[in-house]
Amino acid sequence: DAGVTQSPTHLIKTRGQQVTLRCSPKSGHDTVSWYQQALGQGPQFIFQYYEEEERQRGNFPDRFSGHQFPNYSSELNVNALLLGDSALYLCASSPLGTASYEQYFGPGTRLTVT
Amino acid sequence: ELKVEQNPLFLSMQEGKNYTIYCNYSTTSDRLYWYRQDPGKSLESLFVLLSNGAVKQEGRLMASLDTKARLSTLHITAAVHDLSATYFCAVDSNYQLIWGAGTKLIIKP
Repeated sequence: DAGVTQSPTHLIKTRGQQVTLRCSPKSGHDTVSWYQQALGQGPQFIFQYYEEEERQRGNFPDRFSGHQFPNYSSELNVNALLLGDSALYLCASSPLGTASYEQYFGPGTRLTVT
Repeated sequence: ELKVEQNPLFLSMQEGKNYTIYCNYSTTSDRLYWYRQDPGKSLESLFVLLSNGAVKQEGRLMASLDTKARLSTLHITAAVHDLSATYFCAVDSNYQLIWGAGTKLIIKP
């Protein structure tokens, strides 16, 4: 049973560019959440997708957008990259309808903005 | 706004010792999670605590939840080097997880 997968593993971009990160949830999971983790800090919630809709959003600007596809996979798009966007981006999936809403995390995408 | 505070933020201890990490949160929540993160790696789920008084144990780690005090603890018994990592607590708030800053634990042989 494949867990949560993310691509790419690492990415280097220049300020002002745009980036797309991808996530495939664990089998049987239909909800995908995205987090940003800066070095030495705890993760910060970006948004959550369920049934192809953004259900909840954290305190991130509109430069951060996402999408969920019918197969439950998801993309995170960041426009007009800033140096401060350099971070580990984590995708987590969870099976809605379970009491715990436990989230399972992928390996992350390390984004470096120069 | 829900806030989650962990302490200590850094802990260096000798193998064989016991210690406790504390996680306080500011508003009502019925779900609290503990995760482990090794350097450069993703987050590994350790415990899911769903109700007041919940206690879960796995090996040398034991987690508990007191929803009335808005406090969770992660207790380490007879620490071993392999438990060196950063430990995060996270609280569920309307489908999003709000995270503590993490406790970096170093266990010296």
